[in-house]
This record gives sequence, structure tokens and C-alpha cells, in this order.
Amino acid sequence: QSALTQPPSASGSPGQSVTISCTGTSSDVGGYNYVSWYQQHPGKAPKLMIYEVTKRPSGVPDRFSGSKSGNTASLTVSGLQAEDEADYHCSSYAGNTGWVFGGGTRLTVL
Amino acid sequence: QVQLVQSGGGVVQPGGSLRLSCGASGFTFNRYGMHWVRQAPGKGLEWVTLIGHDGSKTYYADSVKGRFTVSRDNSKNTVYMQMNSLRVEDTAVYYCAKDDEHYARDYWGQGTLVTVSS
Repeated sequence: QSALTQPPSASGSPGQSVTISCTGTSSDVGGYNYVSWYQQHPGKAPKLMIYEVTKRPSGVPDRFSGSKSGNTASLTVSGLQAEDEADYHCSSYAGNTGWVFGGGTRLTVL
Repeated sequence: QVQLVQSGGGVVQPGGSLRLSCGASGFTFNRYGMHWVRQAPGKGLEWVTLIGHDGSKTYYADSVKGRFTVSRDNSKNTVYMQMNSLRVEDTAVYYCAKDDEHYARDYWGQGTLVTVSS
């Protein structure tokens, strides 16, 4: 069982927006602004999409955005495209525990 | 461009040992911490360990503490993870990843499968 809770699946049609939630506790998500999100296509290594809750690494489209409220972080993908279909994993720094991840969300573009 | 190339892995019996390696290029290796993250078949990611840029500080998940040891050789741009007393539940794809200095991991290796089975 993963430390952070994500919905197992999410879906949307091309052009639509979808939001994936990631719920933790005050010891991880709620306690630090160090939430990151990773995209993983089948059989591939994860790719960093968001760090420090809201920041995008160079090269990541601005269709991807992050936010946080209390113990829940969210990733929003706007203007869905076929290539966005992948697994998305959230992660948070958790102090002495190190880092924790969610169980991952499979995003399907209908 | 940044590259992380992993080697090692394979099939080992419970109680056995294995060493993974991760060779880095395309960045100043001795300036950055390095993580290992694993993914059991069909499951989510799990953080395993972090080693600081000079190897003086190491951090471990409780699930591997006392069994796994991370080290690095900055002269060879390589990070290692020695895995001892392996258990069936350690079966996973193991990834090395570069720390981005923002409490995240910005580049990942290709992954290597470790299977613990009798």
C-alpha cells in the first residue's frame, strides 16, 4: 500500500482537461512544498513533469500544471493530447522518512 | 545530454545478494545526489535510497535499511547499490535517478529488473 493516495484511473477526451489528485498527510504533502509528478509510458522510465508543487522543468509543456491544498496535491493536464496517455505518479518529501510516492494513476485519452 | 546507464540485476534466490551499477555522463556527477527508486511488477514507485554528492551522507527507506548499501565512485561517475539478504518482495525494476536539488529526480536510468525467487 502506497503512502500517498491516487485514483487508479482517470480519463478525458482530446482537448479536454483532467485533474489527478494525490492525498497524503501533514507529514508529507501538507508539511512541505516538495511535491513532484512523474509521467511514465509503458516499459519506460519515469519523466519529471512538475517539481516543488507548481514548477515545470524546461521542455515540459505548459499544459501540465500542479497545485496543492492542505494535504492534497493535484496535477492538471489541459488540452489533452494522445501522447499524454500514460501513468502519472506523485511524490512528496517526507522529512526523516525520505520520500514517498503514490500508487500511480493511469490516464486514458478517449 | 544527461545519460544514466544501469547494469547488474538478474535472478537471485531469497537470502542472496546482488549489486547494481549506474554510470553517469553529461553532467558534473560529483555535484549531485543520486537516488535509487524501485517499481514492483504492476505497482507504483517506491523510493529506496539517496546518496549525497560526495558520498558522506546516505538515506534509506525503512524497507531496505540494514540490507542495502549505496555508494559512489566520483572518479568513475558511477553509483552502486549493494543488495544483501534479498527477499521475494524486493522483486522490482530498479531505477537510478539524479537529484535535481529541488527534492525531485530529473533524470532517470533505463531501469534494471531484479527477480528474487527460489
